[in-house]
Amino acid sequence: GIQVEQSPPDLILQEGANSTLRCNFSDSVNNLQWFHQNPWGQLINLFYIPSGTKQNGRLSATTVATERYSLLYISSSQTTDSGVYFCAVEKYGNQFYFGTGTSLTVIP
Amino acid sequence: NAGVTQTPKFQVLKTGQSMTLQCAQDMNHEYMSWYRQDPGMGLRLIHYSVGAGITDQGEVPNGYNVSRSTTEDFPLRLLSAAPSQTSVYFCASSPVRQGPYQPQHFGDGTRLSIL
Repeated sequence: GIQVEQSPPDLILQEGANSTLRCNFSDSVNNLQWFHQNPWGQLINLFYIPSGTKQNGRLSATTVATERYSLLYISSSQTTDSGVYFCAVEKYGNQFYFGTGTSLTVIP
Repeated sequence: NAGVTQTPKFQVLKTGQSMTLQCAQDMNHEYMSWYRQDPGMGLRLIHYSVGAGITDQGEVPNGYNVSRSTTEDFPLRLLSAAPSQTSVYFCASSPVRQGPYQPQHFGDGTRLSIL
């Protein structure tokens, strides 16, 4: 399978601060997605981004496929951003491999 | 607009018992999958299906069976539960991708404890 490493494993921010989460993967992929798991355990799609850059409000993501990494940027963080952020990749055949996640806590 | 529905939300079993985790979706999605989430390990794919009558193994299939008799339902069976199967189980669905991106929709999870 594909190895997916996320960093940092834990992050504590003051409300209003910015952050960058990183996802490294061990092989070329056809699909890369970022998810947010909220404190109630629900998984929410954030981005589908196998390459390039996308933005959605305060969140943006960049994937450099040739160098096998993706970055998730969170600007002006809010307490509702707390939770775990996962990167998941798919090479082929509908088999997704998840990273171990970055646990984010935003303090008021 | 139910999306992906998992039942039960919580379950406690004794070692050796059998159980079926239910997953149903009302979006007419061809692709459905089961993941388990363990502390510090992210989600790992157990089994998946690309349509009725078609299933395949994921990364960690041992100890689990699946079937797909209808488009809507994709149950996960534990034939003889073991403590190592204590986990949170997620079901997901999406249209089979043959072009533009189609996001996966996740259920709210089933927390399973095996004593």
